[in-house]
Amino acid sequence: NAGVTQTPKFRILKIGQSMTLQCTQDMNHNYMYWYRQDPGMGLKLIYYSVGAGITDKGEVPNGYNVSRSTTEDFPLRLELAAPSQTSVYFCASRSIGANVLTFGAGSRLTVL
Amino acid sequence: RKEVEQDPGPFNVPEGATVAFNCTYSNSASQSFFWYRQDCRKEPKLLMSVYSSGNEDGRFTAQLNRASQYISLLIRDSKLSDSATYLCVVNTGTASKLTFGTGTRLQVTL
Repeated sequence: NAGVTQTPKFRILKIGQSMTLQCTQDMNHNYMYWYRQDPGMGLKLIYYSVGAGITDKGEVPNGYNVSRSTTEDFPLRLELAAPSQTSVYFCASRSIGANVLTFGAGSRLTVL
Repeated sequence: RKEVEQDPGPFNVPEGATVAFNCTYSNSASQSFFWYRQDCRKEPKLLMSVYSSGNEDGRFTAQLNRASQYISLLIRDSKLSDSATYLCVVNTGTASKLTFGTGTRLQVTL
């Protein structure tokens, strides 16, 4: 049981580049989330999805886009990377009626 | 006022000590409450849910005070392995979003 899988684990980007962080879960969870965590800070919600084809903005969506074409996958796209997007990104999922989040191991992104 | 507030610490305690953390939340409509544990450079993991009547899991006790809008976590007989950051998490019930506090760092020493 893989749970929530994120790739890549580490990435260095140059300013203005774009990339996609991948997130896949094999638990058939309806709800999926993307959080970012800056050093010494809590997790801030970027985007979330309550099911395939449905996405919505969280607290800090600017500079990011998401899609949810399948229940399993919830990729996060960064367009025109900026140094302010240097952070650790966590994908998480949960099932309907359950409040417990299952997190991926995180993707550490540095924008130089 | 932040939705969820925690003292960032660090709390430095000797092994065997009892330590308590509080967390306040601003939305009185909040429905569910949790404590997550996060080890350095790792993902958060659920430690325990917090129930209205209070609940215990081994050395850990969680309590909820709805009138004052805070939750607490008590750790008894601290172990070195308890060293981590403890995140307070609140579900306000809006679109299934969970709001995280910034975390309280605990360092248990010999």
